[in-house]
Amino acid sequence: KQEVTQIPAALSVPEGENLVLNCSFTDSAIYNLQWFRQDPGKGLTSLLLIQSSQREQTSGRLNASLDKSSGRSTLYIAASQPGDSATYLCAVPTGANNLFFGTGTRLTVIP
Amino acid sequence: DAMVIQNPRYQVTQFGKPVTLSCSQTLNHNVMYWYQQKSSQAPKLLFHYYDKDFNNEADTPDNFQSRRPNTSFCFLDIRSPGLGDAAMYLCATSRRTSGRFNEQFFGPGTRLTVL
Repeated sequence: KQEVTQIPAALSVPEGENLVLNCSFTDSAIYNLQWFRQDPGKGLTSLLLIQSSQREQTSGRLNASLDKSSGRSTLYIAASQPGDSATYLCAVPTGANNLFFGTGTRLTVIP
Repeated sequence: DAMVIQNPRYQVTQFGKPVTLSCSQTLNHNVMYWYQQKSSQAPKLLFHYYDKDFNNEADTPDNFQSRRPNTSFCFLDIRSPGLGDAAMYLCATSRRTSGRFNEQFFGPGTRLTVL
């Protein structure tokens, strides 16, 4: 059974810092991994989707990497801003259509 | 803009009183999902529709039902809500092609309160 772990559970950084969020998964037979952002009381916003054939995917200040063999993905946020404060979730597909989520990292960027 | 829309955003119901949550999409995706997310937990898939084919997760309670009358709309029916059903309900869509799983797009969610 797939298990997805995100460390740390919570992170506080001063504005302007670069930071890395971690995601690990136990079953490496995945064909993509998706990173989401969730603001308090809101839905999920898709940030990046990395296909299994890719090692990196970039969008603006965000860069996600994927290492299937080690069961790890990282989300790098450059020059963090207070508006980046949210919970970040990674998710991997299981079976044909189910997304299995990690429990998330709650990020606070302090002005 | 193409999007996933959920109505209402906030729903209050009484213990045991049936409630229906609505999801619509303008993405023309062939797969629609319903997730339940309780406070400080990860979203949990309840079921999904692939076109008209309904796929229930094994541990989804019978209290939860779904309808998809057409490509654009999908409903979540909770027949007899209990206090434990209070949660955020998230609708998502994706386009499934050649058996492959593609990016999922989520709506803003409906926060359900059970009194």
